[in-house]
Amino acid sequence: GDSVTQTEGLVTLTKGLPVMLNCTYQTTYSPFLFWYVQHLNEAPKLLLKSSTDNKRTEHQGFYATLHKSSSSFHLQKSSVQLSDSALYFCALSDPGGRALIFGTGTTVSVSP
Amino acid sequence: EAAVTQSPRNKVTVTGGNVTLSCRQTNSHNYMYWYRQDTGHGLRLIHYSYGAGNLQIGDVPDGYKATRTTQEDFFLLLELASPSQTSLYFCASSDMTGHYAEQFFGPGTRLTVL
Repeated sequence: GDSVTQTEGLVTLTKGLPVMLNCTYQTTYSPFLFWYVQHLNEAPKLLLKSSTDNKRTEHQGFYATLHKSSSSFHLQKSSVQLSDSALYFCALSDPGGRALIFGTGTTVSVSP
Repeated sequence: EAAVTQSPRNKVTVTGGNVTLSCRQTNSHNYMYWYRQDTGHGLRLIHYSYGAGNLQIGDVPDGYKATRTTQEDFFLLLELASPSQTSLYFCASSDMTGHYAEQFFGPGTRLTVL
C-alpha cells in the first residue's frame, strides 16, 4: 500500500548549520507531498507542499524538491535557528486527494 | 486563518468508560478528520468525513466511532475505552478542493485511559 518513510527519528545540530530531513514514499499514482511542522505543545501546521517533478518549493527558509525518479521529497534548510526545533512530518496525499498518509516524524533539536 | 477547536483539551477516564471528543470548525470546510498521535507512529487517521451525515473509515478505526452532525461539528466516540487508546487526538479540517488542499489542525485533546 501507499506509505511514507522518514528514516531519522531525531536530528540534533547547532544553530547556523544546514539540515536535511529525509522523506521517501511509495505509491502507484501521481504523488502530492507535504511537510508539516509541529512545535512543542502546538498543533501541526503546513510548512510547504510539492510542486511538479524536479521543481523546488520554498517557505520560511525551508525548501524541498519532489524527485519522482527516487520517490523522495527531502526537506532542507541552509542555516537552522533555535526556533526550528520542532517535530517535522512528511505526508502523502491519498489517491482520491481526500486524506493524508503521514510519516512517523523527525524531531529536530537545535542548540545554541 | 482556519479555526478548529477541540474539547475537552484533557480527559482522564477508566477502562471501559465512555468518552466523546468534540471538534468544531468555523470555516465552512467540507472535510474533517480525526487523528491520533503516538510517539514512533506519527499521525494516524482514525475516521474522516466529507459532509454532514457522511463517515469514512481511516487507517486505525478499531474501537472508535465518529459522527458528523453538521458541517461544523465532528465527534469521536470511544464507547469502551481501553488503555491502548491513551493518546493525543487531533481534529483537522480541509476544503479539499484538490490534492494540494491544506489541512488545518485543532489544538489537540490528550486522553488518558487508566
